[in-house]
Amino acid sequence: QKEVEQDPGPLSVPEGAIVSLNCTYSNSAFQYFMWYRQYSRKGPELLMYTYSSGNKEDGRFTAQVDKSSKYISLFIRDSQPSDSATYLCAMSLVLTGGGNKLTFGTGTQLKVEL
Amino acid sequence: GAVVSQHPSRVICKSGTSVKIECRSLDFQATTMFWYRQFPKQSLMLMATSNEGSKATYEQGVEKDKFLINHASLTLSTLTVTSAHPEDSSFYICSARGHRAMGYTFGSGTRLTVV
Repeated sequence: QKEVEQDPGPLSVPEGAIVSLNCTYSNSAFQYFMWYRQYSRKGPELLMYTYSSGNKEDGRFTAQVDKSSKYISLFIRDSQPSDSATYLCAMSLVLTGGGNKLTFGTGTQLKVEL
Repeated sequence: GAVVSQHPSRVICKSGTSVKIECRSLDFQATTMFWYRQFPKQSLMLMATSNEGSKATYEQGVEKDKFLINHASLTLSTLTVTSAHPEDSSFYICSARGHRAMGYTFGSGTRLTVV
């Protein structure tokens, strides 16, 4: 079993739809949860990060963490064609020191169509 | 904001030759940089953690003699793929921790094709 599971998609939605992206994980020690967006042939860029459980909102993006279920989500409201990319979840044990390496999901490919 | 520059963006080399990839932090100092490898439709796999002024820490299964990492300054880490073979063809990405608490900034990646 992988430490982080993520549906690779592809996920295709019409413009303006609400998108829900999810990851599950097995290591209950993870404390920091991140979402990255990666355009084709580019490096990932950080969208949002959350510490422990709870919600965090930034513009059209909302990140949710449910540690009891080991489940994290990213919601995109009013999706735009420019949101078409691969979305990777990532998590780490700590911020600094030996346990700060990121463990990534496989990424979900999202396409927002006109 | 924190910017990480990675070069080259793409390289094609012959089997048996070596290729060097550079990763630079442009506006901040990075004592630690990370090197990842990504296959199509797969996750980023951490290869090694590069520490300025000391030896890199390699993940299990990564050959340190094949993937040479040098982190000689606070702004530059290099990854050299030695005696490259077609199976080394992949997308290599570096990252560094910037100023923000969770500022793992990534380079734009290097597409390596070994023919």
